[in-house]
Amino acid sequence: DTAVSQTPKYLVTQMGNDKSIKCEQNLGHDTMYWYKQDSKKFLKIMFSYNNKELIINETVPNRFSPKSPDKAHLNLHINSLELGDSAVYFCASSQDLGSGGAYFGPGTRLTVT
Amino acid sequence: DAKTTQPTSMDCAEGRAANLPCNHSTISGNEYVYWYRQIHSQGPQYIIHGLKNNETNEMASLIITEDRKSSTLILPHATLRDTAVYYCIVCPAYNTDKLIFGTGTRLQVFP
Repeated sequence: DTAVSQTPKYLVTQMGNDKSIKCEQNLGHDTMYWYKQDSKKFLKIMFSYNNKELIINETVPNRFSPKSPDKAHLNLHINSLELGDSAVYFCASSQDLGSGGAYFGPGTRLTVT
Repeated sequence: DAKTTQPTSMDCAEGRAANLPCNHSTISGNEYVYWYRQIHSQGPQYIIHGLKNNETNEMASLIITEDRKSSTLILPHATLRDTAVYYCIVCPAYNTDKLIFGTGTRLQVFP
């Protein structure tokens, strides 16, 4: 069973479009995250979401918005896509970090043309 | 910004122990040391974590110095599948938004 899953795995779209990436975890974790990994392989946290509390990395443009319909899902919506949004996006989840680590999904490779 | 320093790359022969160092001289008393790895084109994978005692699990061992300013991840018998980028992260247990990745160490295991 996949612990953290993301769809789609690949997403190619044009500038200006709006797109969503879905994430689901079946681990019963309370916290979910979105990370962005750019072409230089730097992994940067974008959001963490815990018990309806959203913590936003201040560098993330407001074109990006996470939406959590329930504790097991944290979807990422991106409006007005730009070339610089091309990256691999990883979803992750964790319980109490003191008792274990975060589990990451397989990633979604977004290419904006 | 990451609060850890790691070598950019390391090599290890298959079957030998891989010892990956990490400096975290500004670590706070409530921060854990976490190790993750990322195999090419996959999501990061949790390996192990510790506060001040040495830890061991089925994947690796973690040795933390007494002053907690540095640690070493040990893969006792490296295999080709252990080739990956290894990240050392310090993070408070209850501030989950502080899981910040640095540049990591690229470990190449060769036959």
